Amino acid sequence: SQQGEEDPQALSIQEGENATMNCSYKTSINNLQWYRQNSGRGLVHLILIRSNEREKHSGRLRVTLDTSKKSSSLLITASRAADTASYFCATDRGGSQGNLIFGKGTKLSVKP
Amino acid sequence: DTAVSQTPKYLVTQMGNDKSIKCEQNLGHDTMYWYKQDSKKFLKIMFSYNNKELIINETVPNRFSPKSPDKAHLNLHINSLELGDSAVYFCASSQAGGISYEQYFGPGTRLTVT
Repeated sequence: SQQGEEDPQALSIQEGENATMNCSYKTSINNLQWYRQNSGRGLVHLILIRSNEREKHSGRLRVTLDTSKKSSSLLITASRAADTASYFCATDRGGSQGNLIFGKGTKLSVKP
Repeated sequence: DTAVSQTPKYLVTQMGNDKSIKCEQNLGHDTMYWYKQDSKKFLKIMFSYNNKELIINETVPNRFSPKSPDKAHLNLHINSLELGDSAVYFCASSQAGGISYEQYFGPGTRLTVT
């Protein structure tokens, strides 16, 4: 069954603007990961945030995690046309089973 | 050097045929995975292998049989292909099993069953 769901499904912005994508999940987790998928390519890992962390940064990426609301957000600042891609959150089910559950993704389009 | 590679990139075949997809990783990782991504971009785990041993088999029809000759390779064999098998199949690997490790994905194999 699906664990994480991204919102919005699609987002279109101008270059230079910030993009915010959200992910909600249903059961408790150990950690949450964000991935990017360019059209026709495999997924690329962006950030992993653990359940005891609230915020994490990597370059222009900022991820927050609110375990009380069972949600996470990915912020891309000063977006570029090259950021155009689908973004997925992936969670576990909080147990010992080691598989990630991916959401359906947010399709981001950054117009130059 | 490509970290996770898959062959072929495209596979077009008829219903009822048997086909294989190969995957190799040169990262020295212990764990490898197969995922299926449908037309709506929904990505679902199929199998997970750790050091050549099956760890996860997520309600996949037994027409799908993974084979891991060594920990750098995880191949996927599909028997009696059906129209619903059309999808993009991704191989991935991680340093170890469990949910604390990032996964590295291959470029995908687009399977079209006619």
